[in-house]
Parts: sequence; C-alpha cells; structure tokens
Amino acid sequence: EAQVTQNPRYLITVTGKKLTVTCSQNMNHEYMSWYRQDPGLGLRQIYYSMNVEVTDKGDVPEGYKVSRKEKRNFPLILESPSPNQTSLYFCASSRDRGYGYTFGSGTRLTVV
Amino acid sequence: AQKVTQAQTEISVVEKEDVTLDCVYETRDTTYYLFWYKQPPSGELVFLIRRNSFDEQNEISGRYSWNFQKSTSSFNFTITASQVVDSAVYFCALSPIGGGGADGLTFGKGTHLIIQP
Repeated sequence: EAQVTQNPRYLITVTGKKLTVTCSQNMNHEYMSWYRQDPGLGLRQIYYSMNVEVTDKGDVPEGYKVSRKEKRNFPLILESPSPNQTSLYFCASSRDRGYGYTFGSGTRLTVV
Repeated sequence: AQKVTQAQTEISVVEKEDVTLDCVYETRDTTYYLFWYKQPPSGELVFLIRRNSFDEQNEISGRYSWNFQKSTSSFNFTITASQVVDSAVYFCALSPIGGGGADGLTFGKGTHLIIQP
C-alpha cells in the first residue's frame, strides 16, 4: 500500500530535550515536505526536499532541522524544543513539487 | 508568493441542506494546481480533488462538486444533500506546477463544517 508513515503519532516532551519525528514513504517520490498545523493558522510549510541531499526552508523553519540522506526518509529534528513548537505535524511526499501530495497520519507534539 | 483565502471560518447547516465552501487564491504563476482536502475529527488529511489551471471544467463526484473560475481566482466546493459524516475541516490549497523554489503547497486556513442531524 502506498503510504507515508510518521512516527510517533503522539509525543509529550520537555523543553530542551532533543527529539526526532521520523517520516518514510514507499512511493519513490522525490519531493518531501513537513508542515505544522496550528489553530487559526492552517498548515504552514516548515522544510521541503526536492531530492536526496537537497533541502530548503519553507515558511516557518526556525527551530527545526531536516535531513534527506535517503530518498524514502525525511526526518524532522527539534534540537531544543520549546512550548511554541507544540503543534500537529504532517509529513507529505509527492512525485514532484505540485503533482499531488500524500500525507502521513500526523504527529501531535506537546512541549511542556 | 502564493495565498489562499477561505473566508468562512465555520459553517453550520442541518443535514440534507446543500452547502458551498468558498476558496479564493492569489498566485503569480501561470500554471498551477488547486486542491481540496478534508480533515475529519480523527485528524488525517484526506485528498478530495486536484485541478490544474488549464482546465476550468466543473467537476462532480457523487454529492461533491467543484466550481473553478479562473477569472475570479476562485475554486469553490459544494456538498449537495449534506450528511453528518461530512462534518470536518476542509482545506483549499494551491501549488505551482513543476519548477523549483520554496513555494510548495500553500493552504488556506480551513473551513470547519458542522452538519447537524
């Protein structure tokens, strides 16, 4: 089954404790992206990757890192999480930048 | 830069009524895709439709229909004979076609649709 898999689905952590949210896709898509969803703000792009070793900032990259060492994986790293990063996060992949996006099930992160 | 506006924050209707969700967009790109996604209470994002900018034909899929008007930069979504299961947040989104750059999928802020029994 074609899918984007995110883990974990839920995470509660403390301020400053590094964490990684994993994202993996099995569709051989070149384009991958991370979004965060906040009430009243909709979904906003954090980082995107056009291909292996090619990543760039989206609209709200501050406080996040990503890497794309393999085509299928695109982890989101929070080196020092803060409470304002409490949000619902989605990973997405696409054949190319605009064709059609498959989203993961989301990761609900709470930073206390 | 791209922008998508969904002016209706929340809509509440009684079951079986028809309801239209509005979407207006801005882009400098001449070719682009428009999307609608549904987010039910469980939280996942469900793809509903993709239209490209060169095809202004309206589309119908069961109780769902979409009206794309390039002249007014609008891509509205109508649910006919609404059902309680249609209750969800609906997002309109825009993406350029191909090329490079930071503009990926730009979402509107969503419309929360409540269908009352």
